[in-house]
Amino acid sequence: GQQVMQIPQYQHVQEGEDFTTYCNSSTTLSNIQWYKQRPGGHPVFLIQLVKSGEVKKQKRLTFQFGEAKKNSSLHITATQTTDVGTYFCARTSGTYKYIFGTGTRLKVLA
Amino acid sequence: DGGITQSPKYLFRKEGQNVTLSCEQNLNHDAMYWYRQDPGQGLRLIYYSQIVNDFQKGDIAEGYSVSREKKESFPLTVTSAQKNPTAFYLCASSMGATGEPQHFGDGTRLSIL
Repeated sequence: GQQVMQIPQYQHVQEGEDFTTYCNSSTTLSNIQWYKQRPGGHPVFLIQLVKSGEVKKQKRLTFQFGEAKKNSSLHITATQTTDVGTYFCARTSGTYKYIFGTGTRLKVLA
Repeated sequence: DGGITQSPKYLFRKEGQNVTLSCEQNLNHDAMYWYRQDPGQGLRLIYYSQIVNDFQKGDIAEGYSVSREKKESFPLTVTSAQKNPTAFYLCASSMGATGEPQHFGDGTRLSIL
């Protein structure tokens, strides 16, 4: 399937610093979803972006969908220890199939 | 309380043995999925099912089999043909329409004895 690349693979930040992960595709995406997986846990859906240039916010999290719908980003302002985990983007392929990005593992140092 | 139940949480397999992982959902979702996750890796799709009695291979179906006899249930069998089965297995479901979010179970961690 057509892969979705995520960068960086790992990120260590001091508590209070900002964090951003990027998701890139070589093809135009119909939508992009973001999930968070806590250590030892399962992925939990955060949000879906559909429109070109769309920006959505959830408290300290800001999600963006690129104008060309080929990339997306998740930005966390002033990270907290509760933000620790792996963040995945996912795209749909056809009606039912999802393709997940490689994930960005975030560690927050107190 | 609606959700997805995977069992067992931990499973050990002997060489040459088939094992079956259970996945049950009471969300009335049409679509169900099985993913494999290796340490520090992303999710790779094994099989998915859009509707009862129908399923499709994902990217890494070799050595696995599934069935979908009931809407609520989508068991995954890891056969002896899967030479490297040690991984974290996640079951998910969704409404089925394009772009609907996926809901995941707590996962089953499979190890080789």
